[in-house]
Amino acid sequence: KAGVTQTPRYLIKTRGQQVTLSCSPISGHRSVSWYQQTPGQGLQFLFEYFSETQRNKGNFPGRFSGRQFSNSRSEMNVSTLELGDSALYLCASSSGQGVARGYTFGSGTRLTVV
Amino acid sequence: AQSVTQPDIHITVSEGASLELRCNYSYGATPYLFWYVQSPGQGLQLLLKYFSGDTLVQGIKGFEAEFKRSQSSFNLRKPSVHWSDAAEYFCAVAPSGNTGKLIFGQGTTLQVKP
Repeated sequence: KAGVTQTPRYLIKTRGQQVTLSCSPISGHRSVSWYQQTPGQGLQFLFEYFSETQRNKGNFPGRFSGRQFSNSRSEMNVSTLELGDSALYLCASSSGQGVARGYTFGSGTRLTVV
Repeated sequence: AQSVTQPDIHITVSEGASLELRCNYSYGATPYLFWYVQSPGQGLQLLLKYFSGDTLVQGIKGFEAEFKRSQSSFNLRKPSVHWSDAAEYFCAVAPSGNTGKLIFGQGTTLQVKP
C-alpha cells in the first residue's frame, strides 16, 4: 500500500514568487492536514481538509492557502514568498476525520526561498 | 492555550541503556496524546498514542509511554536503546479525536553512543 506522497521533494524559489505543493494521501484516506516545520518554530499546523472542505486553519497569513480535490489529493499554495517561508512542509492523511484513527505523514517538501 | 513542553532538547545515551524522554502538556481536560519519531530528511512516524483507558501504552519498536494525569505528563520510555533509535522525537497533543490539528513539542534529539 503506497504511503503519503508529496511532490516535489525539493524546491528552490525566489522571494516574491508563488509555489504550489502537492500531497497524495493513502488510497481511501479522506482527511489531509498540512504542517510547516522550521528550526525556529518547530512543527506548526497549517490546514485540515476532509471531503474537500477545510475544517481547521492554523495561525498563518492569508498568503498560505490550500484545497482538496474530489480524489482527496490536496495542494497548498504560498504566494509572495518570503525568506521565512523556507521550511519542510509535511502532509498527513487519515482514513477518518481527525487524529483518532492516526495520521500517516509523508516525507515532506523542502522549500528554500532565496 | 494548549501547549506541549519537551524539557530536553538533546539527550545522549549509550547503546543498551534505558531511555526516558519527557513530555508535559497544558490542557484542561485529558487530551489525545502522541509520540512521533523523525529520522533525518524523513516525515514523522507514529510510535504510540493515548486516548483513554490503561495509562501505560505500548507502541512500535519497543517503546512505551505512561500517562500521568496528576503531573500532566506523557513520558516515553524504552528499556534498551539501539543505535537505530537515534532520531528526533516529538510529543504532540490534540484536544479531541475529531480534529486534525496536532500541537507539537519542540522535539528531543536522541544521540546513541556505541
